Amino acid sequence: DTGVSQDPRHKITKRGQNVTFRCDPISEHNRLYWYRQTLGQGPEFLTYFQNEAQLEKSRLLSDRFSAERPKGSFSTLEIQRTEQGDSAMYLCASSFLPSGEETQYFGPGTRLLVL
Amino acid sequence: DQQVKQNSPSLSVQEGRISILNCDYTNSMFDYFLWYKKYPAEGPTFLISISSIKDKNEDGRFTVFLNKSAKHLSLHIVPSQPGDSAVYFCAASTYGQNFVFGPGTRLSVLP
Repeated sequence: DTGVSQDPRHKITKRGQNVTFRCDPISEHNRLYWYRQTLGQGPEFLTYFQNEAQLEKSRLLSDRFSAERPKGSFSTLEIQRTEQGDSAMYLCASSFLPSGEETQYFGPGTRLLVL
Repeated sequence: DQQVKQNSPSLSVQEGRISILNCDYTNSMFDYFLWYKKYPAEGPTFLISISSIKDKNEDGRFTVFLNKSAKHLSLHIVPSQPGDSAVYFCAASTYGQNFVFGPGTRLSVLP
């Protein structure tokens, strides 16, 4: 399977703990995106990378959130001191941008529940 | 401020009939629009897209129409099949950046 993969698929944690999610994009894709989705809403943009450079961060991404893509391949999203409001589905997507018409391909998501 | 709106949270259609899902946007800088389909416990799956230089794009049973003056796009599915039952998201971007998604419409195709 050469699609976008995310690990873990589910995570339950206690408030105040740190969690880290991993995303492996489609291999030739140079862009990688993180989104958050809550019930009844569409995906909300968090941040994106072009190769290893983090080019944009949403104001939704508080100081407790950090994302990395150290070698321009896989990416990690860490949430420190989790809060109950962080409970959501965290989606990763990747794309290849040869022109202005970009299509993002999504992974299955990591569902986070903060107790 | 929702830049991409899908005002119908849900839609039910009989199998074999046409499904029409609507999407409105407010940002005139959007130049690329996409539809995604999402099944429970899966990530969104790309369905079809359209550039702002076109007003129609067709792929099999799926056709997307864009009306730039009205800032409106629609997805037509003909004929609808039970396997089309899913949540459909409209998304828009500017120069391949700043992707914004609508809240989704849940389509139920009844046998």
